Amino acid sequence: AQSVTQPDIHITVSEGASLELRCNYSYGATPYLFWYVQSPGQGLQLLLKYFSGDTLVQGIKGFEAEFKRSQSSFNLRKPSVHWSDAAEYFCAVGDTGTASKLTFGTGTRLQVTL
Amino acid sequence: GAVVSQHPSRVICKSGTSVKIECRSLDFQATTMFWYRQFPKQSLMLMATSNEGSKATYEQGVEKDKFLINHASLTLSTLTVTSAHPEDSSFYICSARDRQGTRETQYFGPGTRLLVL
Repeated sequence: AQSVTQPDIHITVSEGASLELRCNYSYGATPYLFWYVQSPGQGLQLLLKYFSGDTLVQGIKGFEAEFKRSQSSFNLRKPSVHWSDAAEYFCAVGDTGTASKLTFGTGTRLQVTL
Repeated sequence: GAVVSQHPSRVICKSGTSVKIECRSLDFQATTMFWYRQFPKQSLMLMATSNEGSKATYEQGVEKDKFLINHASLTLSTLTVTSAHPEDSSFYICSARDRQGTRETQYFGPGTRLLVL
């Protein structure tokens, strides 16, 4: 069964500092990987996704993620964090079968200090 | 593009009543929609997969008679919480998979907060 681990429950960074959120997955085949962001009381917004090809994926809001098969990782990065980036971030792996179900990590809450 | 709406955004009901939550894909057709449940400060738990024109597929441990799902059209799926109890209070989120685009991408609605008194 597929699984996703986000080792950091809570991260605090200063505005303008760089950010890296960790995500490790377990999946038998080539995974479909996603990062979503959730603001308090809101649904999830897709930041970026990886299906195949270039292992460095660019997303919205200046985020990027790198797929590293050897490390089973898909870490999310941003070179300079803005206060509006404070939110909950979820990494997910997609089932490549017909249902395409998503398995989510437990999330990382990002706090940005001014 | 790829906008998903949910209605209502929040609902308060009495114990024993039923509540219906709608999930709509506004600008694309969705043969498959998913219903998730999220507890405070926790991740999303998949409840069921809703397929247009057929019965929903429920995840293990989810009561199909309590959480009724109907996917009558390519743009609408409904979740009805029957005989609601306080323990059903939660944040319910739906997602829809774009039929025309990459099938593996799910677009999420804004969620519905249910409080059962």
